[in-house]
Amino acid sequence: EIVLTQSPDFQSVTPKERVTITCRASQNIGTNLHWYQQKPDQSPKLLIKFASQSISGVPSRFSGSGSGTDFTLTINSLEAEDAAVYYCHQSSTLVSITFGQGTRLDIK
Amino acid sequence: VQLVEAGGGVVRPGGPLRLSCAASGFTFDDYGMSWVRQGQGKGLEWVSGIDWSGAGTGYADSVKGRFTISRDNANNSLYLQMNSLTAEDTALYHCVRGYRDAFEMWGRGTMVIVSS
Repeated sequence: EIVLTQSPDFQSVTPKERVTITCRASQNIGTNLHWYQQKPDQSPKLLIKFASQSISGVPSRFSGSGSGTDFTLTINSLEAEDAAVYYCHQSSTLVSITFGQGTRLDIK
Repeated sequence: VQLVEAGGGVVRPGGPLRLSCAASGFTFDDYGMSWVRQGQGKGLEWVSGIDWSGAGTGYADSVKGRFTISRDNANNSLYLQMNSLTAEDTALYHCVRGYRDAFEMWGRGTMVIVSS
């Protein structure tokens, strides 16, 4: 099983800051890595697919990068509505599908 | 465009339960589908997936041999038959559009509680 490890587990930030969340895979997964945002009492929402592909309707301040084993989700100019838990997810066709443990983002 | 789950409830350990998901607003048989669960206050866990035709399926190790995923493309429906349930299966179960790719759409989920 491929293990995805996110860091940090928790981050408290102020509006307009730039935030970076990382996701490290235990094996090479190419660009089969996706990012989700989950707000309290809501279902997860897809933010970025295949490491860096943007999703229609998602604000442009969200971007993704990386390949292989190391990936990054960047939120530029953070807004209060970005308070949420963020998950990475790998869909490598060779092994079982897994999620990272989640990163909770609080806005000060 | 939505996914609506049904079939959750309280079940005794060892018992069975069948979840269903009704899809609407998109061409159902164009997409692989999955079930993803989330325990109270916990992270996301992929449970099972099925390709567009139903011929290809996959399961998390934690449910392999106990759960069976299936679909009915004629009726735009996805199912999850769950047997030999344990307390560790207690969770909110989401129906999700996607399998070996990004999970683009999520249902609100149906709650499964395994308790005596």
